[in-house]
Amino acid sequence: GAVVSQHPSRVICKSGTSVKIECRSLDFQATTMFWYRQFPKQSLMLMATSNEGSKATYEQGVEKDKFLINHASLTLSTLTVTSAHPEDSSFYICSAGQDGNTDTQYFGPGTRLTVL
Amino acid sequence: RKEVEQDPGPFNVPEGATVAFNCTYSNSASQSFFWYRQDCRKEPKLLMSVYSSGNEDGRFTAQLNRASQYISLLIRDSKLSDSATYLCVVNRGTGGFKTIFGAGTRLFVKA
Repeated sequence: GAVVSQHPSRVICKSGTSVKIECRSLDFQATTMFWYRQFPKQSLMLMATSNEGSKATYEQGVEKDKFLINHASLTLSTLTVTSAHPEDSSFYICSAGQDGNTDTQYFGPGTRLTVL
Repeated sequence: RKEVEQDPGPFNVPEGATVAFNCTYSNSASQSFFWYRQDCRKEPKLLMSVYSSGNEDGRFTAQLNRASQYISLLIRDSKLSDSATYLCVVNRGTGGFKTIFGAGTRLFVKA
């Protein structure tokens, strides 16, 4: 099956710092990737859709200036949490559809962000 | 009302039991349906797609009822390793493609 990696798997940072999370499709091209956030005991919530070569599409209530998304190549999307605060602490997961098929999504292993 | 609703459980069952999970969705324009499994602190993994004709994969059977906007997952002969959270997932295409996750149903299988 398709493989999606994320880096880092875990990050702890001080309030006010910025954190970059990378999402890579390892053995396929992904024109579209998705970024989700999951708080404890809650479901995955879509934050934004990352489109290669164009601007990301953000869901309602997600601040685009706080969560910067860059999808510079067909295998890499990055999410930068700018000026992170404790309430941003969460599990961030990316996903991609293989070869443009978004019907079935393959998920990265997730990044656990803790903001002190 | 949430667009995809699941009973959060937990379901506590003994090994070998049969357990069924239900899920309802509110958007009639939803196009494709899936069950994912998520282990604690891990990413979701696709378990199976769901079709109106029913879909069976070993001990797992999924069913879709479009008229009732209802999805089910049946697990037979439960194993300890089946303990996880099962997520009902719906893709809708209208108003922009979007994947909606249910909050999940927690299953504990005990020896």
